[in-house]
Amino acid sequence: DAKTTQPPSMDCAEGRAANLPCNHSTISGNEYVYWYRQIHSQGPQYIIHGLKNNETNEMASLIITEDRKSSTLILPHATLRDTAVYYCIVGSGGGADGLTFGKGTHLIIQP
Amino acid sequence: NAGVTQTPKFQVLKTGQSMTLQCAQDMNHNSMYWYRQDPGMGLRLIYYSASEGTTDKGEVPNGYNVSRLNKREFSLRLESAAPSQTSVYFCASTISLAGAYNEQFFGPGTRLTVL
Repeated sequence: DAKTTQPPSMDCAEGRAANLPCNHSTISGNEYVYWYRQIHSQGPQYIIHGLKNNETNEMASLIITEDRKSSTLILPHATLRDTAVYYCIVGSGGGADGLTFGKGTHLIIQP
Repeated sequence: NAGVTQTPKFQVLKTGQSMTLQCAQDMNHNSMYWYRQDPGMGLRLIYYSASEGTTDKGEVPNGYNVSRLNKREFSLRLESAAPSQTSVYFCASTISLAGAYNEQFFGPGTRLTVL
């Protein structure tokens, strides 16, 4: 699986949009980009995934660059409950592959 | 639906003791996983089971054994615990449909300390 690079930590003011970057320059053509988050001590939670197109769901938006070498997760109106470690992961999707986690980005929402 | 459940929530062992971590899911998922998470790190895959009756090693399988008891249950056994196995253990499951991305659902974790 391709590897990802994320900043170790970020701050964002409550109510503002949180933009979390991820570099995945070695991603291959059939690999998805997916995001999970882990709120303190809990199990990770799926947020969103994409292959080539931008995606939006009730939690977040995912913007993937045209060359697919980087992406940005956007939380449109961050709340204190969004404070968590966010993991950007690339992989083949489907099947039974396990996820390869890096250290993620610790997002802290400031009141 | 309870989702993915794990028992116990906490456990303290002495070096050399054995124990089994239990995991069950009620979502009729095909694939199940065991991960460990050390402080300040991401999760690492220990073992996985693509379907009932099959198991495969992940990134860090040494010192562990697994059993896929049935479609619902996937247990992780430490035969002779070592302090290096002090960690938080997460179980996960996914439906594993070919041709589509399948999100993994995680349990709440088991916090294990080996003295």
